[in-house]
Amino acid sequence: GAVVSQHPSWVICKSGTSVKIECRSLDFQATTMFWYRQFPKQSLMLMATSNEGSKATYEQGVEKDKFLINHASLTLSTLTVTSAHPEDSSFYICSAPEGLSYGYTFGSGTRLTVV
Amino acid sequence: QKEVEQNSGPLSVPEGAIASLNCTYSDRVSQSFFWYRQYSGKSPELIMSIYSNGDKEDGRFTAQLNKASQYVSLLIRDSQPSDSATYLCAVNRGSTLGRLYFGRGTQLTVWP
Repeated sequence: GAVVSQHPSWVICKSGTSVKIECRSLDFQATTMFWYRQFPKQSLMLMATSNEGSKATYEQGVEKDKFLINHASLTLSTLTVTSAHPEDSSFYICSAPEGLSYGYTFGSGTRLTVV
Repeated sequence: QKEVEQNSGPLSVPEGAIASLNCTYSDRVSQSFFWYRQYSGKSPELIMSIYSNGDKEDGRFTAQLNKASQYVSLLIRDSQPSDSATYLCAVNRGSTLGRLYFGRGTQLTVWP
């Protein structure tokens, strides 16, 4: 199946700094990318949907100025957590639809810890 | 009512037994259904997808879909300790792959 490469796998940053997470589709064109956040013992919560060349659509309660999403090409979508705080510590996962035969491809996830 | 509900578990079965995982969804127009397995600290991996009423089998896994009852299940035969994970039910509403609605997950433990 297709691969979505997500980097970094884990990152520790200081409170107030920004962190960028990248997701690249390696062998297919991802016109759409879904960004999820997962807290311990909880399910995946959709944060936003990005579409190549247009503004991302954010879910209710997600601060668009804090979680900046860019989808500038068909193979790259990025999530930048700005002015990170300890409560932003979480597991962030991207996912792209690959087609009805294959479903969705998930990135390997990024464990963010803000200290 | 939540979009997707799963039996919360945890579910514990002995090695070799059948594990049964259940999921209901609220939107009658939902079109495609997925079961993902997620190991602790890892990203979800696709186990099964199902789009039509009935059963779909893949190795030790069988997905069952009943759109009239808005119910989808996953059976794991001959459960192995390596099957111990959280199983997520996910539903897509449309005919194309839009956003997924996830259940909270069922934690399965298979003991030797």
